[in-house]
Amino acid sequence: GAVVSQHPSWVICKSGTSVKIECRSLDFQATTMFWYRQFPKQSLMLMATSNEGSKATYEQGVEKDKFLINHASLTLSTLTVTSAHPEDSSFYICSARDWGGVFDGYTFGSGTRLTVV
Amino acid sequence: DAKTTQPPSMDCAEGRAANLPCNHSTISGNEYVYWYRQIHSQGPQYIIHGLKNNETNEMASLIITEDRKSSTLILPHATLRDTAVYYCIVRVAGWDGGATNKLIFGTGTLLAVQP
Repeated sequence: GAVVSQHPSWVICKSGTSVKIECRSLDFQATTMFWYRQFPKQSLMLMATSNEGSKATYEQGVEKDKFLINHASLTLSTLTVTSAHPEDSSFYICSARDWGGVFDGYTFGSGTRLTVV
Repeated sequence: DAKTTQPPSMDCAEGRAANLPCNHSTISGNEYVYWYRQIHSQGPQYIIHGLKNNETNEMASLIITEDRKSSTLILPHATLRDTAVYYCIVRVAGWDGGATNKLIFGTGTLLAVQP
């Protein structure tokens, strides 16, 4: 079945530094990937839609200059949290869909726990 | 915005069936009902989806009312490992290149399976 790999699973960084999170589709090509953020005891909030070869589409209220998304290939999308601050500490999750496959749903990565100190 | 309403929490005894309701009274004719679950600190896991007919797979059954305004996810024999937040989501199937392809999560139901 469709597998999405997300790395790292957790990261701790100092305030003011940048952190890159990778999302890979392992056995299918994903022209579109989605990035979510989840705070403790809350639901997943969609941040942006990542499109291969073009600019990402950000949801209202999400700072595009702070959360840089690059989708340079059909199997890799990256989310870079720039100049991270403690309020950016959260659980970041990516998802993708295998449009050419039988499974008519979205596959999610295992998530990245970001802690900014 | 999410188009579904779910109870915030439910309890279920281990070995018994867990019935999780979902209200989607504004569902459109081309929208499917999807169920995902999220075990603590993991990414969501697909469970099942359907349009109007009842569906069953190795994980669960999905019962959709005739008017499609509500549905119930049934875990036939709940185990402790089924403790998770269950999300009911409606979206169109296929691809139209637009906003309808986004998966928007509501608040979900926290199912606690008790030993």
